[in-house]
Amino acid sequence: AQTVTQSQPEMSVQEAETVTLSCTYDTSENNYYLFWYKQPPSRQMILVIRQEAYKQQNATENRFSVNFQKAAKSFSLKISDSQLGDTAMYFCAFFSGAGSYQLTFGKGTKLSVIP
Amino acid sequence: DTGVSQNPRHKITKRGQNVTFRCDPISEHNRLYWYRQTLGQGPEFLTYFQNEAQLEKSRLLSDRFSAERPKGSFSTLEIQRTEQGDSAMYLCASSFGPGTVYGDTQYFGPGTRLTVL
Repeated sequence: AQTVTQSQPEMSVQEAETVTLSCTYDTSENNYYLFWYKQPPSRQMILVIRQEAYKQQNATENRFSVNFQKAAKSFSLKISDSQLGDTAMYFCAFFSGAGSYQLTFGKGTKLSVIP
Repeated sequence: DTGVSQNPRHKITKRGQNVTFRCDPISEHNRLYWYRQTLGQGPEFLTYFQNEAQLEKSRLLSDRFSAERPKGSFSTLEIQRTEQGDSAMYLCASSFGPGTVYGDTQYFGPGTRLTVL
């Protein structure tokens, strides 16, 4: 079974600064997909960014980018120019589609952006 | 595209009562998922439908839980004889598959928060 570990329960960053959230995972699969989701307080889960394991190029979406290290099974999220609206829980998730269609989530990192 | 919707948003019930939640997926999505999220944790998978067929169930889905997707559109999740341990946020997600470039990207609804007294 796949596992996803987020080792930083809470983080804070000053507005306009850059922050990196860590995620590691364990799998025996070669083809899979990784996601970062954002869950603002009392609001619904929103997709931030996604990465296919077969692609070496790191995904970027505006201020959000990932550092995907397949051999190390690491998938970190970098948020540049942090904004107050980035305050949320961030969840790393794994999907392979090989025998199971579930997303496996980490426990999340609570990010606070400080004005 | 109005997104995934869930009703009700909040449900308070007494232990032993039955409750039913509804999920309406994004209209063109053929896949639907239910997850449970407790405070301070990531969502945990409960079950998965492709069209009207329930193809995967987690061991978390005890025999008190049942899910349906009768016409391959909306889905219901029923919990019978609720227990205090059932208190959680129940999330629904939908996706279109198979074979997208980005795998089976799941889009989530706002959730139904269940409180069992």
